[in-house]
Amino acid sequence: AQSVAQPEDQVNVAEGNPLTVKCTYSVSGNPYLFWYVQYPNRGLQFLLKYITGDNLVKGSYGFEAEFNKSQTSFHLKKPSALVSDSALYFCAVRTPDSGNTPLVFGKGTRLSVIA
Amino acid sequence: DTGVSQDPRHKITKRGQNVTFRCDPISEHNRLYWYRQTLGQGPEFLTYFQNEAQLEKSRLLSDRFSAERPKGSFSTLEIQRTEQGDSAMYLCASSSQGDNQPQHFGDGTRLSIL
Repeated sequence: AQSVAQPEDQVNVAEGNPLTVKCTYSVSGNPYLFWYVQYPNRGLQFLLKYITGDNLVKGSYGFEAEFNKSQTSFHLKKPSALVSDSALYFCAVRTPDSGNTPLVFGKGTRLSVIA
Repeated sequence: DTGVSQDPRHKITKRGQNVTFRCDPISEHNRLYWYRQTLGQGPEFLTYFQNEAQLEKSRLLSDRFSAERPKGSFSTLEIQRTEQGDSAMYLCASSSQGDNQPQHFGDGTRLSIL
């Protein structure tokens, strides 16, 4: 069975500093990995995905993520945090090798960027 | 480009009542998904459609839950005989065909059971 772990419930960072939100996954087969962001009372917004190829993936709003197969990780990063980045972040995985598998989400990490 | 639309945004009902939610996906998307999200958790998969065919259902989807997508466009999710534990945010998402395609989410329907 596939699963995602986001080990930090909360990440606090000062505005202008780099941020990292951690994600590790467990799958049998090759993973498709996704990051989403959720603002209060809103649905999830897609940020970026890793399918294949270059391990460093760039996405929306200056976010990027690095796929590390040996560590089964897909950490989300941004070089310089903004107060407006404060939100709930979800990592998700699916394995296309297993047929019609749904997206499996982590529990989420709340990011607070402090001015 | 209109996104995924869900209606209503909020629903408050008494335990035991039936409720129905609607989702209008992005028009060119043939896949449609329903998720449930409770406080402090990520979305949990309920079911998905490819066009009008319901291809997968989670074990979370008890027999009180039914979903339809009659013409492969909008979808409805009905919960019969609601229980306190059904209180949650119900999210709809749509995507193009292909497992590598991102899902685009609506803003959800928040259900509160009194």
